[in-house]
Amino acid sequence: DTGVSQDPRHKITKRGQNVTFRCDPISEHNRLYWYRQTLGQGPEFLTYFQNEAQLEKSRLLSDRFSAERPKGSFSTLEIQRTEQGDSAMYLCASSKEVGVEQYFGPGTRLTVT
Amino acid sequence: AQSVTQLDSQVPVFEEAPVELRCNYSSSVSVYLFWYVQYPNQGLQLLLKYLSGSTLVESINGFEAEFNKSQTSFHLRKPSVHISDTAEYFCAVSTGFQKLVFGTGTRLLVSP
Repeated sequence: DTGVSQDPRHKITKRGQNVTFRCDPISEHNRLYWYRQTLGQGPEFLTYFQNEAQLEKSRLLSDRFSAERPKGSFSTLEIQRTEQGDSAMYLCASSKEVGVEQYFGPGTRLTVT
Repeated sequence: AQSVTQLDSQVPVFEEAPVELRCNYSSSVSVYLFWYVQYPNQGLQLLLKYLSGSTLVESINGFEAEFNKSQTSFHLRKPSVHISDTAEYFCAVSTGFQKLVFGTGTRLLVSP
């Protein structure tokens, strides 16, 4: 299996701009997760999908954040009207239907100036 | 709700010395436990996991962790560390197919 891939790896944007990140899970993994990691902290859960259904969203996921997984394969995470507090590493993970282990991608580092 | 505590933010150790990274969790239901390792500017790699069965689990690179239900702990140990083990280590807990809850991480610094 190829691993989880994320694009872009780095994104620098100005406050107020919209950004979109993409995650491609390991093939045949039907669960996909998004986490956010700020400096010196562990990853914090944002949301997760089983196939195309978004089953849980954290309260960290404000109205400016939206995630989709339209065909149950890749997923996108969009942040509208970015704020400096959105600067973080955004991590994607996937898991098998009958597995509890999650496998992480390399992350997208967002810097909002 | 689950929570994970990693009391040591940084653990300095000399090469070839033993090390223990501590992890305690809180949960009202049965949990699965994980250790992940993160190298600079990289994502997280699964190091080892406890799902059920033997309470002592081992990784391929010499790390081991023991699930202690009475102490609600899952400490990570290695009898002899290498320079290449320098990284951030995260303990995590889940109750099934849902989210992982992570600790704040422990930075292991191995010096010659």
